[in-house]
Amino acid sequence: NAGVTQTPKFRILKIGQSMTLQCTQDMNHNYMYWYRQDPGMGLKLIYYSVGAGITDKGEVPNGYNVSRSTTEDFPLRLELAAPSQTSVYFCASSWTGNQNEQFFGPGTRLTVL
Amino acid sequence: DAKTTQPTSMDCAEGRAANLPCNHSTISGNEYVYWYRQIHSQGPQYIIHGLKNNETNEMASLIITEDRKSSTLILPHATLRDTAVYYCIVRRNTGANSKLTFGKGITLSVRP
Repeated sequence: NAGVTQTPKFRILKIGQSMTLQCTQDMNHNYMYWYRQDPGMGLKLIYYSVGAGITDKGEVPNGYNVSRSTTEDFPLRLELAAPSQTSVYFCASSWTGNQNEQFFGPGTRLTVL
Repeated sequence: DAKTTQPTSMDCAEGRAANLPCNHSTISGNEYVYWYRQIHSQGPQYIIHGLKNNETNEMASLIITEDRKSSTLILPHATLRDTAVYYCIVRRNTGANSKLTFGKGITLSVRP
């Protein structure tokens, strides 16, 4: 199993550009999450999904959108990139039996200039 | 979720046990204690969790006090690769809104 994979690893955007951060898991987990981590800080939840077709906001959803058309994929969309979105983004997944045992991807480092 | 308090940092010598404390004095009866770690530039990694009994796995041991107001994560023989930020999190095990809250954690530095 590859676990949770994320692409790209690094990206530089200009203000106002858009992009999609990809996340795929091959563990057949129902739950998936997007977090962001600013330098020296803990992780903050952006969006999460409890299954295909179901998404919900976390604590910092503004400026982002998500979709969950399949169990495996949970892409995160930035429509109008802003410098405040410069961060490292982590995708995670967990199984229904214990949502708190989450498996994380390697992260995407995004810089908005 | 109950709030947790951890020291900012600690260090230990390679090969010695690393004991990482966590206070969670407002923990409720159905909340578990979880530990994650984050090695530099990597995603967080689940280590262990427990309710009230002590737990051990291949990575670490978790000791929870009888009143459950504090716990200690023990890495029995720390190596340089254990240098990381360790997060103590308290959560219920059920419910759809299972959103882990990662604070700043404790930075463990293992010295040669």
